[in-house]
Amino acid sequence: GQQVMQIPQYQHVQEGEDFTTYCNSSTTLSNIQWYKQRPGGHPVFLIQLVKSGEVKKQKRLTFQFGEAKKNSSLHITATQTTDVGTYFCAGDQGGKLIFGQGTELSVKP
Amino acid sequence: NAGVTQTPKFQVLKTGQSMTLQCAQDMNHNSMYWYRQDPGMGLRLIYYSASEGTTDKGEVPNGYNVSRLNKREFSLRLESAAPSQTSVYFCASGIGGYTEAFFGQGTRLTVV
Repeated sequence: GQQVMQIPQYQHVQEGEDFTTYCNSSTTLSNIQWYKQRPGGHPVFLIQLVKSGEVKKQKRLTFQFGEAKKNSSLHITATQTTDVGTYFCAGDQGGKLIFGQGTELSVKP
Repeated sequence: NAGVTQTPKFQVLKTGQSMTLQCAQDMNHNSMYWYRQDPGMGLRLIYYSASEGTTDKGEVPNGYNVSRLNKREFSLRLESAAPSQTSVYFCASGIGGYTEAFFGQGTRLTVV
């Protein structure tokens, strides 16, 4: 079945540095979703990408969907301490939402 | 405006005990999910229900059973708990796998 791999597992940055997490699927995805989970919290939906090559921005966050619809990335520009948490990508597999392992971001002030 | 409600929030079980985790959503969603979250493993799908009366296995279904009681409720049962089932369990709901999922607050389960 579909596997969604995410790297890196952990990322430690200094406040103000950029951050990127990558998501790769073994099969073509119909769409990719991104979620953020704050420490001790539950995952919260950030965005969905549907089209090949799609790029979407939310303030300092930039999301990309690959041309082949098999990979995606989330880039945060100039991280802030409020960005701390785990970022997950998720792909649809016949109605089931399959998540990557997540990237845990820590930001040092 | 409750969204997805899970009970209980915390539970400690002894090995071999059984229990049911409850989940209810008030958003009229068709799809409901149960995930477990373990350090370094991300969110792994246990079971999924596309609509009332239907359920399907996810990535890690062994040791669990589910019941989609009605459109609102989706319960997860551990018949004979094992220490390997110590985890944080999340219930989620959505219109379908192609749209966003809304998560409950989670149940932290410890099996000793």
